Amino acid sequence: EPEVTQTPSHQVTQMGQEVILRCVPISNHLYFYWYRQILGQKVEFLVSFYNNEISEKSEIFDDQFSVERPDGSNFTLKIRSTKLEDSAMYFCASREVSDTQYFGPGTRLTVL
Amino acid sequence: RKEVEQDPGPFNVPEGATVAFNCTYSNSASQSFFWYRQDCRKEPKLLMSVYSSGNEDGRFTAQLNRASQYISLLIRDSKLSDSATYLCVVNPPGTYKYIFGTGTRLKVLA
Repeated sequence: EPEVTQTPSHQVTQMGQEVILRCVPISNHLYFYWYRQILGQKVEFLVSFYNNEISEKSEIFDDQFSVERPDGSNFTLKIRSTKLEDSAMYFCASREVSDTQYFGPGTRLTVL
Repeated sequence: RKEVEQDPGPFNVPEGATVAFNCTYSNSASQSFFWYRQDCRKEPKLLMSVYSSGNEDGRFTAQLNRASQYISLLIRDSKLSDSATYLCVVNPPGTYKYIFGTGTRLKVLA
């Protein structure tokens, strides 16, 4: 069964550093998403991406964040100048035309 | 009113019990609703979509009540393996985003 994959599973970084989180969505899917979940809190929408551009972003997704689909398979989330409060689980999700999303296993980001 | 609201629980029920959760949503024009299951520190996994006519999958039944703006999830004959957090998800109209509730934690006890 096809699945969304994410790398790395755990990323530790120093405050102020840049990180890139990687995702490989399901191959025939058209819509891609990033979410974050701070420990003990709810899953929060960050950004959606369709047709090689951002289709919607939340107020959390400020200039510190960017997304890219550099080739036909990868979908990345870049966080510039990380802060302590960026520590969270970051989930990638994808869907085809139907509105059912499938999530990757997540990347746990720890900012020290 | 929060966009999506759930009772965080925990709901502690014995094996074999029937348990129901509700989730309220604020945007009356919303059309797409889902229940996801999340195990500790894992990704959300789709349990079922919620249709206007309701949806049933084995021991799980989901219903939509548009008049009162809530969706429900009923679990019959609870198993130990049903212990998890159940997330209500709504896709507001005219948006690409999906709004998650805080989740309802279920513990099924032996």
